[in-house]
Amino acid sequence: EPEVTQTPSHQVTQMGQEVILRCVPISNHLYFYWYRQILGQKVEFLVSFYNNEISEKSEIFDDQFSVERPDGSNFTLKIRSTKLEDSAMYFCASSQTGVTNEKLFFGSGTQLSVL
Amino acid sequence: AQSVTQPDIHITVSEGASLELRCNYSYGATPYLFWYVQSPGQGLQLLLKYFSGDTLVQGIKGFEAEFKRSQSSFNLRKPSVHWSDAAEYFCAVGRSGTYKYIFGTGTRLKVLA
Repeated sequence: EPEVTQTPSHQVTQMGQEVILRCVPISNHLYFYWYRQILGQKVEFLVSFYNNEISEKSEIFDDQFSVERPDGSNFTLKIRSTKLEDSAMYFCASSQTGVTNEKLFFGSGTQLSVL
Repeated sequence: AQSVTQPDIHITVSEGASLELRCNYSYGATPYLFWYVQSPGQGLQLLLKYFSGDTLVQGIKGFEAEFKRSQSSFNLRKPSVHWSDAAEYFCAVGRSGTYKYIFGTGTRLKVLA
């Protein structure tokens, strides 16, 4: 089965620093997503992205977050000034058509630790 | 408010035993319902989904789930668990027009040899 690839698997940063989490979605997919899971809590939707635009975002996705598809293969999540509470597992996902009952393909996640 | 509840944080079963993981949801609209599994070091993998039709759905790896609207439940079952089923299982709910799935907190399954 095709895979979504996320790098790095673990990232440690200092509070206030900028981080960029990287994802390579499945090659023929057009819709991209970020979710996160704070330890012991639920997996939460952050944002969906299509055609170089954010199509939907949650209340978590404030001005310190941004997403970008800088080239034809990568999809990135940037946190401008990290806070302790941003420590979480961040999952990238992609889907082919964006139909909302379609299967999402998730990556294995990036564990972000903010010190 | 929309929510998904997985009442069991941890479940331990013996290999070969049957399994049922519970999921209850609170959702105003007709829900789409999903079960995902996460093995260590892996991403979330879709086991099965329901959005209409037959309320008993079959998934991969021998799993099935039954949608019971009257009970607002979508429990996951497997008749005989294998050691490789040890993982964390997430129930999620969505609806038409949004990608904002709501996930439960997950149930971690341990399988005893």
